[in-house]
Amino acid sequence: QKEVEQNSGPLSVPEGAIASLNCTYSDRGSQSFFWYRQYSGKSPELIMFIYSNGDKEDGRFTAQLNKASQYVSLLIRDSQPSDSATYLCAVHSGNTGKLIFGQGTTLQVKP
Amino acid sequence: DTEVTQTPKHLVMGMTNKKSLKCEQHMGHRAMYWYKQKAKKPPELMFVYSYEKLSINESVPSRFSPECPNSSLLNLHLHALQPEDSALYLCASSQRFAGGVTDTQYFGPGTRLTVL
Repeated sequence: QKEVEQNSGPLSVPEGAIASLNCTYSDRGSQSFFWYRQYSGKSPELIMFIYSNGDKEDGRFTAQLNKASQYVSLLIRDSQPSDSATYLCAVHSGNTGKLIFGQGTTLQVKP
Repeated sequence: DTEVTQTPKHLVMGMTNKKSLKCEQHMGHRAMYWYKQKAKKPPELMFVYSYEKLSINESVPSRFSPECPNSSLLNLHLHALQPEDSALYLCASSQRFAGGVTDTQYFGPGTRLTVL
């Protein structure tokens, strides 16, 4: 089992729809969770971090964390073509102190 | 300000060359990282410096040599690289190398390295 798992996609949604990106992790000791957006050929850009169970909202983005189910998600409301990118879920390992990345989900928002 | 800068943006080198990648941050962060990223793969950790001391070396070949001259600067010296080392090299920094929000890592724009 991979430490952090994401569906590689592509996930295709129409413009204006809600995009839902999911991530599961195996290390129960993990305390911090991050979502990065990466455009093709560019570096990862931090979108959100979350470390408490529940929802955290920032503009059109909502991160959701459920530690009991070892599940973290990112919702993007009113999706725009400019949201088309790869979204990397990253989990801080309680054991090693390292940031463990999922394989990334490619999101395509069609006009 | 969450800016991490990297130079050069692009680098093409032969297998016998020696070159260096540079990274700088002015956020007062005390942890800095080197990652390697191949196409369609997530970043892969290479080295971690915490308070200017090497904390993690992920069994990286010795042809990659990191250096942390001070808390704001991080270099990666390259020598006798192989074509398979061609990748995007990313520098990141965080307040500390520890758990919790202080480990939020901010990435620089990367150096696209091509080894011929």
